[in-house]
Amino acid sequence: NAGVMQNPRHLVRRRGQEARLRCSPMKGHSHVYWYRQLPEEGLKFMVYLQKENIIDESGMPKERFSAEFPKEGPSILRIQQVVRGDSAAYFCASSPPARGGLTDTQYFGPGTRLTVL
Amino acid sequence: AQKITQTQPGMFVQEKEAVTLDCTYDTSDPSYGLFWYKQPSSGEMIFLIYQGSYDQQNATEGRYSLNFQKARKSANLVISASQLGDSAMYFCAMRGAYGNKLVFGAGTILRVKS
Repeated sequence: NAGVMQNPRHLVRRRGQEARLRCSPMKGHSHVYWYRQLPEEGLKFMVYLQKENIIDESGMPKERFSAEFPKEGPSILRIQQVVRGDSAAYFCASSPPARGGLTDTQYFGPGTRLTVL
Repeated sequence: AQKITQTQPGMFVQEKEAVTLDCTYDTSDPSYGLFWYKQPSSGEMIFLIYQGSYDQQNATEGRYSLNFQKARKSANLVISASQLGDSAMYFCAMRGAYGNKLVFGAGTILRVKS
């Protein structure tokens, strides 16, 4: 029973390049979340997606960042024209279809460590 | 809006002893969920335990238990019989009634001494 998969695990980009982070949720999970962890800090919510829909993007920076979760394939977090301040660990989490309660635990992937030179 | 406060940046515990990691929260939502995650040095986030705000009993999962005091808005994690492998960063998080995102605290680093 595979968990949440993220790749790459480590990504190095130069300033101005694009970064693409991929996330495959657990089998049977239709909800995907992206979080960012800056060094020495807790995780901060970025975006919540269901298949082909962005449900909540209140934590996404207004520029350069975008996310998608297509009908087929993994969820993608895309960062255009990266800057040094984008260096962080980016975590994806997934949860099963909502049952209307609060017990839908989010299970996290191993994260992608982005380093911007 | 929700807020999580973890006031202990770092904790030490002797192997085989119990340790309590503090977590206080703030929310105006009528119902909410509280979570604890473990982040070892390898970096992954491991779900440990969940407590719903209307649950009558404190949650337990093996050596982990959650000391939930609703009136004090606290949700402390208790680890019994500490093991060397428990050395990690521990995050408290909550999810409110009206959204799906988790709000995390700053974390507590736990070091288990042999």
